[in-house]
Amino acid sequence: KAGVTQTPRYLIKTRGQQVTLSCSPISGHRSVSWYQQTPGQGLQFLFEYFSETQRNKGNFPGRFSGRQFSNSRSEMNVSTLELGDSALYLCASSLGPGETQYFGPGTRLLVL
Amino acid sequence: EDQVTQSPEALRLQEGESSSLNCSYTVSGLRGLFWYRQDPGKGPEFLFTLYSAGEEKEKERLKATLTKKESFLHITAPKPEDSATYLCAVDGEYGNKLVFGAGTILRVKS
Repeated sequence: KAGVTQTPRYLIKTRGQQVTLSCSPISGHRSVSWYQQTPGQGLQFLFEYFSETQRNKGNFPGRFSGRQFSNSRSEMNVSTLELGDSALYLCASSLGPGETQYFGPGTRLLVL
Repeated sequence: EDQVTQSPEALRLQEGESSSLNCSYTVSGLRGLFWYRQDPGKGPEFLFTLYSAGEEKEKERLKATLTKKESFLHITAPKPEDSATYLCAVDGEYGNKLVFGAGTILRVKS
């Protein structure tokens, strides 16, 4: 069974630009969660989608948004990029809320 | 607010030298406690899920245990390939909103 896939794997952007990251969950998984990982803050929860609905949202500004499609694939968008947005963005999928989450390889975003 | 504290921050072991990693937590309505392993530049790799106090799970050289306030990851006779960052996370009442600890960086020397 294929794991969680994320594209692109690496991205370089400049301040003020916007970026869209994509996540394809494990087949049959309906829940997708996004996390930001930085050396200073560790792994922090961004938001979670289940059946195309955002169930939970972390403490991040409105510049961070996401959506889920009917095939459970998910995208997250960051608008007006800031230097502090440089991080590893991780997507995780699970069968549903409360089930074990399996992580993808991440997208490494560098903002210059 | 759910919180997770892991100790030690870093641990150096000789090959074959057994030890334990600690994860202390406070959470409203524990749905599950999770252990992951993360190698540099990669996503976390799932190891164990524990749901209730007293539960134990084993996989090769690793054994995870859970009490009402903490979890331990016991590593028996570690090998250099066990070197990684070990992350502990709790899932509380909302479900699928993992709160992670800062991790323990494990280095095993041959």
